[in-house]
Amino acid sequence: KNQVEQSPQSLIILEGKNCTLQCNYTVSPFSNLRWYKQDTGRGPVSLTIMTFSENTKSNGRYTATLDADTKQSSLHITASQLSDSASYICVVSRSNDYKLSFGAGTTVTVRA
Amino acid sequence: DGGITQSPKYLFRKEGQNVTLSCEQNLNHDAMYWYRQDPGQGLRLIYYSQIVNDFQKGDIAEGYSVSREKKESFPLTVTSAQKNPTAFYLCASSIEPGPWGRSNQPQHFGDGTRLSIL
Repeated sequence: KNQVEQSPQSLIILEGKNCTLQCNYTVSPFSNLRWYKQDTGRGPVSLTIMTFSENTKSNGRYTATLDADTKQSSLHITASQLSDSASYICVVSRSNDYKLSFGAGTTVTVRA
Repeated sequence: DGGITQSPKYLFRKEGQNVTLSCEQNLNHDAMYWYRQDPGQGLRLIYYSQIVNDFQKGDIAEGYSVSREKKESFPLTVTSAQKNPTAFYLCASSIEPGPWGRSNQPQHFGDGTRLSIL
């Protein structure tokens, strides 16, 4: 079973609307959590990296939250644009061997 | 501009054939990685290298081989022993030699090579 579960698997939103993506993990002990954006046919690009002590981090219209107690993270996209159409991948690092566990991603489609 | 270049973008493999995927970086990063991406699954680590002339197996190394003769280059060979090679292959690098998950620096990815079987 994957140690990083993302939901929903996919979603469609209208341009200008907000949306929130979820990431639940069982990786332990925890080191850091990363969100990446992957456009179709391209490599992932880093959005945020959060350590245990950080519970919110923003990158433009992207805001990530982390609750290390419940092992949950969310990525909120504000005022979506057509260019936000992509797959968003959650990645969690383990602090004993620093292995990275990747979620399967959430595919976001923004429609005009 | 600094970055990671993967080539070719598309590659087709015949039965019994070995094929090599190229990965070059000009970011002066010590560490480089190869991942495999399949639909509906998270990225899986094939091989990684922390320094020149050294590399380690990842979670799914069987049927693959790598070399790291230069800091800038980390080619991946998909051998005929890999019976299910159809996938999207991603090369990445990071500024720190590892362990990679400890760093708060992100991995930088290339734009991938899509490998299919003829």
